[in-house]
Amino acid sequence: DAGVTQSPTHLIKTRGQHVTLRCSPISGHKSVSWYQQVLGQGPQFIFQYYEKEERGRGNFPDRFSARQFPNYSSELNVNALLLGDSALYLCASSLHSGSETQYFGPGTRLLVL
Amino acid sequence: GQNIDQPTEMTATEGAIVQINCTYQTSGFNGLFWYQQHAGEAPTFLSYNVLDGLEEKGRFSSFLSRSKGYSYLLLKELQMKDSASYLCAVRDEDQAGTALIFGKGTTLSVSS
Repeated sequence: DAGVTQSPTHLIKTRGQHVTLRCSPISGHKSVSWYQQVLGQGPQFIFQYYEKEERGRGNFPDRFSARQFPNYSSELNVNALLLGDSALYLCASSLHSGSETQYFGPGTRLLVL
Repeated sequence: GQNIDQPTEMTATEGAIVQINCTYQTSGFNGLFWYQQHAGEAPTFLSYNVLDGLEEKGRFSSFLSRSKGYSYLLLKELQMKDSASYLCAVRDEDQAGTALIFGKGTTLSVSS
């Protein structure tokens, strides 16, 4: 069975641009969470979606937005990119929105110049 | 506030045993996870504790004491491939859904 997939794997953008990152969860999983991991730090929670509804939001500015589609895949959008947005963006999926393990995808490495 | 502390770096030799500690202070608690992350890769799930005690899974074991806000990951019979970052994460029940709060990770270097 395929695990969590993310695209693209790498991305280079310039300040002020917009980026869309994509995630497909493990088959049968209905919840997707997004995390940002800056070099040398642990992942930081950005959003969680379950059944196409936002269930949680971390301490990130409104430039960050996300959505989940009927097939449970998800997009993370970041507007007006800043240099500090350079990071590894991880998507994790879980069965539901409760007490289950989250499984991570390979991530998208974003570099903002 | 939320705070998860773990040592920044640890070193050990092949075949040895190492214990990575994690202390946490969160507004709520609904389980503690350990993940392994090799450089440039995604975190992979190692263990989950929600009740006090020891969970054993092969060479890896994880312990939890909720009253002390403390957990450790025990790695036995260390191998070179165990060189990685080990992330402690708490699911905070005050967060909607299943958001995980991560520590900064402990970089373990295993030498021969």
